[in-house]
Amino acid sequence: DGGITQSPKYLFRKEGQNVTLSCEQNLNHDAMYWYRQDPGQGLRLIYYSQIVNDFQKGDIAEGYSVSREKKESFPLTVTSAQKNPTAFYLCASRAYAGGETGNTIYFGEGSWLTVV
Amino acid sequence: AQSVAQPEDQVNVAEGNPLTVKCTYSVSGNPYLFWYVQYPNRGLQFLLKYITGDNLVKGSYGFEAEFNKSQTSFHLKKPSALVSDSALYFCAVRGSGGSYIPTFGRGTSLIVHP
Repeated sequence: DGGITQSPKYLFRKEGQNVTLSCEQNLNHDAMYWYRQDPGQGLRLIYYSQIVNDFQKGDIAEGYSVSREKKESFPLTVTSAQKNPTAFYLCASRAYAGGETGNTIYFGEGSWLTVV
Repeated sequence: AQSVAQPEDQVNVAEGNPLTVKCTYSVSGNPYLFWYVQYPNRGLQFLLKYITGDNLVKGSYGFEAEFNKSQTSFHLKKPSALVSDSALYFCAVRGSGGSYIPTFGRGTSLIVHP
């Protein structure tokens, strides 16, 4: 089945440690996104990429890094510089096409990151 | 700048009754409007969208939404609520030009009582 796969579902980070969240899509979508979700705050955009080897900062990029070496993959690294990383992280993607599919962002199942 | 307001943090409704989850927006140009649903510990699922055309949009699971340009609203509705509709609902908007980055509301928790 086509979709967006995020892994792991649950991840624990120690203080000072970098961790990477994986996001893979087999929808042949061009654009990919990372959002952070905190209770009562909705979704906040961390980074997005519209094409391979290019990405832009979102509203809360500090303490995070990404890469886009392949069209289907957009991993997110939460660095030790992110002081409050405990949250639910959502990866999403969108096709570059008009009509029904091109305007809609689709989401993965999310990953929980907890600092221990 | 674009923005979305979901004025109710929580909506309570009895099973079988109609439900409405409110959304108002602000955007330059023509709006593209979306509704998503999120169940606990899951990602967001796309419900429906308005791009152009008929102001009443029908989507998944019996949900519909009405685009009202004069009131800049896009309220989500369902004629008869189910307990299984209990979830977190997000409205999103983006303008028809420029960036394809939508802005999401803070979400409304829908609780359907048996």
